[in-house]
Amino acid sequence: DAGVIQSPRHEVTEMGQEVTLRCKPISGHNSLFWYRQTMMRGLELLIYFNNNVPIDDSGMPEDRFSAKMPNASFSTLKIQPSEPRDSAVYFCASNPLAGPPGGGELFFGEGSRLTVL
Amino acid sequence: KNEVEQSPQNLTAQEGEFITINCSYSVGISALHWLQQHPGGGIVSLFMLSSGKKKHGRLIATINIQEKHSSLHITASHPRDSAVYICAAYSGGGADGLTFGKGTHLIIQP
Repeated sequence: DAGVIQSPRHEVTEMGQEVTLRCKPISGHNSLFWYRQTMMRGLELLIYFNNNVPIDDSGMPEDRFSAKMPNASFSTLKIQPSEPRDSAVYFCASNPLAGPPGGGELFFGEGSRLTVL
Repeated sequence: KNEVEQSPQNLTAQEGEFITINCSYSVGISALHWLQQHPGGGIVSLFMLSSGKKKHGRLIATINIQEKHSSLHITASHPRDSAVYICAAYSGGGADGLTFGKGTHLIIQP
């Protein structure tokens, strides 16, 4: 069975541009998590969904960030407009259980490395 | 909020050595996760445990709930084990319930 699939793997863009990161969770998984990883702060939870419903977005840094999960097999994380401080690796993870992160094993994607110039 | 500390931060060892990475946390937890991240790569879940010990190949994870401490051991280490190892403590609740350590950067030299 395919794991969590993220695209693009690498994105280089200029400040002010819109960035859309995509995630396909493992089929049958009921929770999806978006994380951001930086050298300074490590892994930070941005938002998570249970059964396609956003549960907690308190980790989203500001209004420039938005996330959607229109169906069980697809989620997007959008940054508009992007800034250099958004440069990071963004991970999507899913879990078979509907619940907060950590209550079950986490299955991560390969990550999307974003560079904003 | 749980405070999760890992030690050492960096570890360089020779191939074949027995490796131990430590993780301590400040608040009682329901589960502890060990994750592996290769340079430039994705994150792989190695273990999720709430008590005792788990083993998978050359990897062993132990947890002592009373002492709020977990260890990850690698036997007969190999250069392909070179990676960052991250522990994460789950204390329940909502989004704040999972706290990540800063990771241990392991290099195994041939």
